[in-house]
Amino acid sequence: DGGITQSPKYLFRKEGQNVTLSCEQNLNHDAMYWYRQDPGQGLRLIYYSQIVNDFQKGDIAEGYSVSREKKESFPLTVTSAQKNPTAFYLCASSTRQGRGTQYFGPGTRLTVL
Amino acid sequence: DAKTTQPNSMESNEEEPVHLPCNHSTISGTDYIHWYRQLPSQGPEYVIHGLTSNVNNRMASLAIAEDRKSSTLILHRATLRDAAVYYCILTPRGSGGSNYKLTFGKGTLLTVNP
Repeated sequence: DGGITQSPKYLFRKEGQNVTLSCEQNLNHDAMYWYRQDPGQGLRLIYYSQIVNDFQKGDIAEGYSVSREKKESFPLTVTSAQKNPTAFYLCASSTRQGRGTQYFGPGTRLTVL
Repeated sequence: DAKTTQPNSMESNEEEPVHLPCNHSTISGTDYIHWYRQLPSQGPEYVIHGLTSNVNNRMASLAIAEDRKSSTLILHRATLRDAAVYYCILTPRGSGGSNYKLTFGKGTLLTVNP
């Protein structure tokens, strides 16, 4: 089955530690995205990548980093510089032509203790 | 960015049709209308999208007003699994960095009663 996987589903980290969230897709999509969702709020774009080896900052990129070495993978690192990292993180992908139609993974809930 | 307005919440009974409205009076001629839904603790799920004509798929129907300033997502027979937050989102056509962002508002919380 084609889709997007995110792992782990729940993640706990101590304050000051970097943590990397995994996102893999087998939809053959060129574009991938990372969003953050806080309780009762909409999604906010962190980073996006239109093609391998290229990525752009979204609205709230500070304290985060990404890489796009393979078409299938777009990992997100939450660094210690992120002031409020506890949130629900969502990865999505789309074709380059169908940018409005994004397919989301199940999400990773990160809690920083 | 063009904005959308949706009711905060709606309620329906199981196996009855549901009409979820969305107003987008500032929509531009090249904006697509997308609908997503999000179940608790899950990622958003694409439902349907359209430009000018009404659209149908296996999940729902999308009715778009002639002036495109409003649209309605129609679930023909609501089930308990349809209980979710439904988002109406405008997505510009064309290239450019901002066109890659989906702007999710508060959406409409749909409650389905058994």
